[in-house]
Amino acid sequence: NAGVTQTPKFQVLKTGQSMTLQCAQDMNHEYMSWYRQDPGMGLRLIHYSVGAGITDQGEVPNGYNVSRSTTEDFPLRLLSAAPSQTSVYFCASSRDRGEFNEQFFGPGTRLTVL
Amino acid sequence: KNEVEQSPQNLTAQEGEFITINCSYSVGISALHWLQQHPGGGIVSLFMLSSGKKKHGRLIATINIQEKHSSLHITASHPRDSAVYICAVKGGNQFYFGTGTSLTVIP
Repeated sequence: NAGVTQTPKFQVLKTGQSMTLQCAQDMNHEYMSWYRQDPGMGLRLIHYSVGAGITDQGEVPNGYNVSRSTTEDFPLRLLSAAPSQTSVYFCASSRDRGEFNEQFFGPGTRLTVL
Repeated sequence: KNEVEQSPQNLTAQEGEFITINCSYSVGISALHWLQQHPGGGIVSLFMLSSGKKKHGRLIATINIQEKHSSLHITASHPRDSAVYICAVKGGNQFYFGTGTSLTVIP
């Protein structure tokens, strides 16, 4: 199993550009989520999905869109990049929404918006 | 407001020392997770616990659900334990994370 994969590892954007961060998992997990990690702040939830076709907003959803057309994939779209979106982005998955399920994290994408 | 608070934020220890990292949370939960973030950035799950104590090698995690507090202990610390340790709890459909404790173990 590859686990949770993310692409790209690094990305530099100019203000106003759009892009999609890719996330895929091969563990047949129902629950997938996107986080951003900023210095001095814990991981913050952007969007999550409890299954194919179902998504919901997290703590910091503004400026981001997601979709979940398959169980495996959960892309994160930046609609119009802003410097405030400079961060490290992590995708994670777990078997389902239960509290006792281990979360598996992707390696992260380091995004810089100029 | 932070649902999860960790202390200390930074910790430097000599190799061999006993280390304790604390986590307090404000939401009602059934389980708490401890994660480790390596210097390269990767995040792995160390423990999930809902009561009492769990032990994996030199790592021990305890939780008191009534007091909403958990501790992570590292016995006989080693430089390879240097990492950021993150406490997380699940409330509803979301995980809430502490800001992490950065541990450096000096040989």
